[in-house]
Amino acid sequence: ETGVTQTPRHLVMGMTNKKSLKCEQHLGHNAMYWYKQSAKKPLELMFVYSLEERVENNSVPSRFSPECPNSSHLFLHLHTLQPEDSALYLCASSQRQGLNSYEQYFGPGTRLTVT
Amino acid sequence: KNQVEQSPQSLIILEGKNCTLQCNYTVSPFSNLRWYKQDTGRGPVSLTIMTFSENTKSNGRYTATLDADTKQSSLHITASQLSDSASYICVVSATGNQFYFGTGTSLTVIP
Repeated sequence: ETGVTQTPRHLVMGMTNKKSLKCEQHLGHNAMYWYKQSAKKPLELMFVYSLEERVENNSVPSRFSPECPNSSHLFLHLHTLQPEDSALYLCASSQRQGLNSYEQYFGPGTRLTVT
Repeated sequence: KNQVEQSPQSLIILEGKNCTLQCNYTVSPFSNLRWYKQDTGRGPVSLTIMTFSENTKSNGRYTATLDADTKQSSLHITASQLSDSASYICVVSATGNQFYFGTGTSLTVIP
């Protein structure tokens, strides 16, 4: 197991529900990421929080809303999701220094099913 | 366009045999290349990381190679074990903290 934890591990929600995914890293990193992993597709980067700056993939629908209260915690707020949003949602963290891309450490993921 | 392509998409081998997974990329400017192992239902775990000047790097039974001229990398698994069954993902980083993921190779090791 890595120093990145995610809760819950599994989530089933209806399209009208509101839920949140939580990620916590214990590695002292200064950047955190949300990825979506669908079957037979590459990981899709959704959001990056780095040094209190937020970077997002413009193709991510507004029904996904990230929150990063500090460098150790990252949330993904979900509302009015669609069945095609069912996927494994992975959180990762890394140490970012200038333009250097250091290794990302991944959490175990949250398996989300939208009914 | 920055892309990472992996082959084969899936592979089945007998326990104890060797195998090689391929990764071709067009990412520029190149920073480094990583191979991850992802067990079913788990997050990816790093196996190796290679920079521009490194040709070969080993981690136990895993050996990664990098040819920066042809923009190709391979992951060689020696004496496979049942626990090697997983998805292997190639990730290429560009400067500026950009990460590009391959679709992965699904490896199944059978007894």
